Amino acid sequence: SQTIHQWPATLVQPVGSPLSLECTVEGTSNPNLYWYRQAAGRGLQLLFYSVGIGQISSEVPQNLSASRPQDRQFILSSKKLLLSDSGFYLCAWSTNPGDGYTFGSGTRLTVV
Amino acid sequence: QKEVEQNSGPLSVPEGAIASLNCTYSDRVSQSFFWYRQYSGKSPELIMSIYSNGDKEDGRFTAQLNKASQYVSLLIRDSQPSDSATYLCAVNWDFNKFYFGSGTKLNVKP
Repeated sequence: SQTIHQWPATLVQPVGSPLSLECTVEGTSNPNLYWYRQAAGRGLQLLFYSVGIGQISSEVPQNLSASRPQDRQFILSSKKLLLSDSGFYLCAWSTNPGDGYTFGSGTRLTVV
Repeated sequence: QKEVEQNSGPLSVPEGAIASLNCTYSDRVSQSFFWYRQYSGKSPELIMSIYSNGDKEDGRFTAQLNKASQYVSLLIRDSQPSDSATYLCAVNWDFNKFYFGSGTKLNVKP
């Protein structure tokens, strides 16, 4: 069966520090991969999605970037965090978006 | 701009009642519609999908879609305290992308 792993679960980082969040999927090949952010009390904002290795589409201009170095690995990065980067970061995958996404357990990031 | 709108709630219903959650969307070419449930502090989980006008039932859940009115709803029959969560509506405008509403918080009172 397919599983999605996301880590770390929680993270507290100072303003201006770098960020790296990792997501991996097991049990499937060539999934579509997504990064979403959920600010406190808000909906999910699509940040990036990828349909294949090295293929990244950005939805919102920001100081975040994403990379997909391997088929089932998706990384979210920042060189310098801002206070506004705080939130709940969710990775998701699908092989057929018409069937919906499956989300990872999320990373709660607090920038202080 | 493509938007998905939901009443933030909270919607409070007594145990055993029917909870009705609503969602409207701004674009007519949307193809797929989804309801996710999110417990506090947890990630969303898919509970229903619907693609065609009309009703789709799955256990205690019924999704309703009206594309002409750009409206999708979720009915939860025999609501239980364990149904207390935030319900997110998602719309698939592009094959690869979903857009989510901000969610409706449901409280089911014992």
